Amino acid sequence: DAGVTQSPTHLIKTRGQQVTLRCSPKSGHDTVSWYQQALGQGPQFIFQYYEEEERQRGNFPDRFSGHQFPNYSSELNVNALLLGDSALYLCASARVTTDTQYFGPGTRLTVL
Amino acid sequence: DAKTTQPTSMDCAEGRAANLPCNHSTISGNEYVYWYRQIHSQGPQYIIHGLKNNETNEMASLIITEDRKSSTLILPHATLRDTAVYYCIVRVRDTDKLIFGTGTRLQVFP
Repeated sequence: DAGVTQSPTHLIKTRGQQVTLRCSPKSGHDTVSWYQQALGQGPQFIFQYYEEEERQRGNFPDRFSGHQFPNYSSELNVNALLLGDSALYLCASARVTTDTQYFGPGTRLTVL
Repeated sequence: DAKTTQPTSMDCAEGRAANLPCNHSTISGNEYVYWYRQIHSQGPQYIIHGLKNNETNEMASLIITEDRKSSTLILPHATLRDTAVYYCIVRVRDTDKLIFGTGTRLQVFP
């Protein structure tokens, strides 16, 4: 039973570029949440997707957007990258909303 | 803002029990306490959660005080592989947003 998977593992971009990160939820899960973890900090909630809609959002600008597909996989898009967007981006999935979330291994984004 | 307070770091000898405390004095009646851990640069790993009763699974035990204002995660026989940052989280009511603090860095030594 595959857990949560994320791609790519690592990514290097330059300021002003756009990036797309991908997440496949654990089998049987239908909700996906995204978190940003800066170095030395705990993860911060970006937003959650359920039934292909953004259901909840944390304190992140509109440069951060997402999408959920009919197969429950999800993408996180970040536009106009800033140096401060360098972080580990984590995806978490759950069977239904309010259920226990399980995290993927993350995508390490470096913005130069 | 995180709703929990944890010590910054703790040490534990291999084979001994590791007891990680957490204060959550403002917890509401229907909010759960969750514990996750994160081994260096990996995704957080779910450990256990509880509402008001003590809980045990194959990884750990969770002891919640009667007034629910604090809890303790117990790893009964710590191993070197348990070295990680442990996060105590109060799940915000009716949402899926997990609010992480800075956690406790547990170092298990031989």
